[in-house]
Amino acid sequence: GENVEQHPSTLSVQEGDSAVIKCTYSDSASNYFPWYKQELGKGPQLIIDIRSNVGEKKDQRIAVTLNKTAKHFSLHITETQPEDSAVYFCAARRMEYGNKLVFGAGTILRVKS
Amino acid sequence: DAGVIQSPRHEVTEMGQEVTLRCKPISGHDYLFWYRQTMMRGLELLIYFNNNVPIDDSGMPEDRFSAKMPNASFSTLKIQPSEPRDSAVYFCASRLELWADTQYFGPGTRLTVL
Repeated sequence: GENVEQHPSTLSVQEGDSAVIKCTYSDSASNYFPWYKQELGKGPQLIIDIRSNVGEKKDQRIAVTLNKTAKHFSLHITETQPEDSAVYFCAARRMEYGNKLVFGAGTILRVKS
Repeated sequence: DAGVIQSPRHEVTEMGQEVTLRCKPISGHDYLFWYRQTMMRGLELLIYFNNNVPIDDSGMPEDRFSAKMPNASFSTLKIQPSEPRDSAVYFCASRLELWADTQYFGPGTRLTVL
């Protein structure tokens, strides 16, 4: 089955700096890769996702890149703000077969002001 | 839409008691998922339903756990008897259909078993 590894487990950055979180997956058939943000006391919320037919996707200050050959994908947050502080999860799924999202272990991001 | 609704938000119970967690998915969503979140194991998928039918319950830890979805707008996760190691946050999530991207999570139920 699919296995997703996520690094780093914690990340501290200064406000205004960039943050990068990386994930690797094991199943080459996985074709959908979302990123979720979880704030304290809340459920995870989708912030950006990418399908395997695309190498990069941007949405304002956040972007995701995918390297299918190496089986890894990354979340990039630019111009970080204190409200970006949260736990971030990557996940992988094979859309046309099986409906399980397999999650990484999560990254605690702290943005220091 | 109100999003995925879970109740209760917090539950404190004593070991051996029965616990029932409830979930109302987003209207029209075909898929419903139950997750458990702990510091040690992260987000674990326990079971999921498609059109009210359980599809994969391989993540259910043991026979003390059971889940039902009697109709498209309601699901329960029951633990009987509960144990301290069941203490965790339990999330319900729903998704529109097989090819839909977004999986929407509820706010979770924080369960503490004393």
